[in-house]
Amino acid sequence: AQSVAQPEDQVNVAEGNPLTVKCTYSVSGNPYLFWYVQYPNRGLQFLLKYITGDNLVKGSYGFEAEFNKSQTSFHLKKPSALVSDSALYFCAVRADNAGNMLTFGGGTRLMVKP
Amino acid sequence: DAGVTQSPTHLIKTRGQQVTLRCSPKSGHDTVSWYQQALGQGPQFIFQYYEEEERQRGNFPDRFSGHQFPNYSSELNVNALLLGDSALYLCASSLVGQEYNEQFFGPGTRLTVL
Repeated sequence: AQSVAQPEDQVNVAEGNPLTVKCTYSVSGNPYLFWYVQYPNRGLQFLLKYITGDNLVKGSYGFEAEFNKSQTSFHLKKPSALVSDSALYFCAVRADNAGNMLTFGGGTRLMVKP
Repeated sequence: DAGVTQSPTHLIKTRGQQVTLRCSPKSGHDTVSWYQQALGQGPQFIFQYYEEEERQRGNFPDRFSGHQFPNYSSELNVNALLLGDSALYLCASSLVGQEYNEQFFGPGTRLTVL
């Protein structure tokens, strides 16, 4: 079984400030971890992934995420938020022995205020 | 390079009816997965098709069925629609043997059941 928790329904941050969107996961086996972003009335856009190797992964639009195996976390971060970053963010996990099925968290709405 | 396309964009049905949703994968991809995203929730995996067969299935009833064609495009069929089937249905494509890679999502079909 695999599961993802995003403990915050919404994160508010001022433009120019750093942002963090939290994600914890549970899998049997090694995790493949992903972050996606969803804008209104749109599908999911891929931001970044962790498969193996360096615990800090960098992705699109200046986002990065840190994999922490002991805390089973994969928090999304950005050093300086933009108003255009406001959207719905989803963390997803797939065990390396679970085929193609992605399990998503419930999503976190990021609001960046000017 | 065409991404994942889905049709129709929106659909309104009444309870008990049947619906068919369509998806064309990203060029070069051979695997299609379907997800249901209810309002305010993360996407949930319905099933995956590869080589015209259902390969993996999530926790959805038999009312949900699918098909994959030789050109890798796919259909999702839902019979005996319930109010609770109202959701955004997302199609995602990928390449078999590369489950460590991200899935590419289409814009979705918004189904409303009245």
